[in-house]
Amino acid sequence: DQQVKQNSPSLSVQEGRISILNCDYTNSMFDYFLWYKKYPAEGPTFLISISSIKDKNEDGRFTVFLNKSAKHLSLHIVPSQPGDSAVYFCAASPGNRDDKIIFGKGTRLHILP
Amino acid sequence: KAGVTQTPRYLIKTRGQQVTLSCSPISGHRSVSWYQQTPGQGLQFLFEYFSETQRNKGNFPGRFSGRQFSNSRSEMNVSTLELGDSALYLCASSLAISKHNEQFFGPGTRLTVL
Repeated sequence: DQQVKQNSPSLSVQEGRISILNCDYTNSMFDYFLWYKKYPAEGPTFLISISSIKDKNEDGRFTVFLNKSAKHLSLHIVPSQPGDSAVYFCAASPGNRDDKIIFGKGTRLHILP
Repeated sequence: KAGVTQTPRYLIKTRGQQVTLSCSPISGHRSVSWYQQTPGQGLQFLFEYFSETQRNKGNFPGRFSGRQFSNSRSEMNVSTLELGDSALYLCASSLAISKHNEQFFGPGTRLTVL
């Protein structure tokens, strides 16, 4: 049972435009969400997070939106740059402090010149 | 400050063999988690250790085991290797076990089972 779903395996966006990566979750107990970015031959690196008490968190070119009623979050990258080409993982953490973080399968983002 | 290191980076084994992977967390980090990454399944949680104790375990068979030492370094072991165990194994460390602590990942160990 996949609790965190990234339904788009890949996404291509023109340089300078907005990239929108989507993530859906099924467990209403999730209360903390994270995005990680992964380049080939490297481990994932933390990008941005959001608590369930918020609906938006912004950090530079990256903004994460959370819609709790729809159990949906999205990562917006504006403007998209060539270095943003990577695999993006959405992750969610349940309210229980000791429960593990669940990752989605990832979305590969290609920024086109 | 040095990042998370994993050894070896690449490993080739044959079915039935066993393998041990090593992870050294960032200095001061006490929590170490292990993940398996495969093309079709993304990042799947294996287990988490904190202060030498396993705090969480994912849905993997008993062939997958791990441990953590007093210096927070961790090892994971896979016995009786199967072809399906071929994957990138990632280790992540964090200051504590709290879910709000950012995890820092190592580069991974690429295991190929022939």
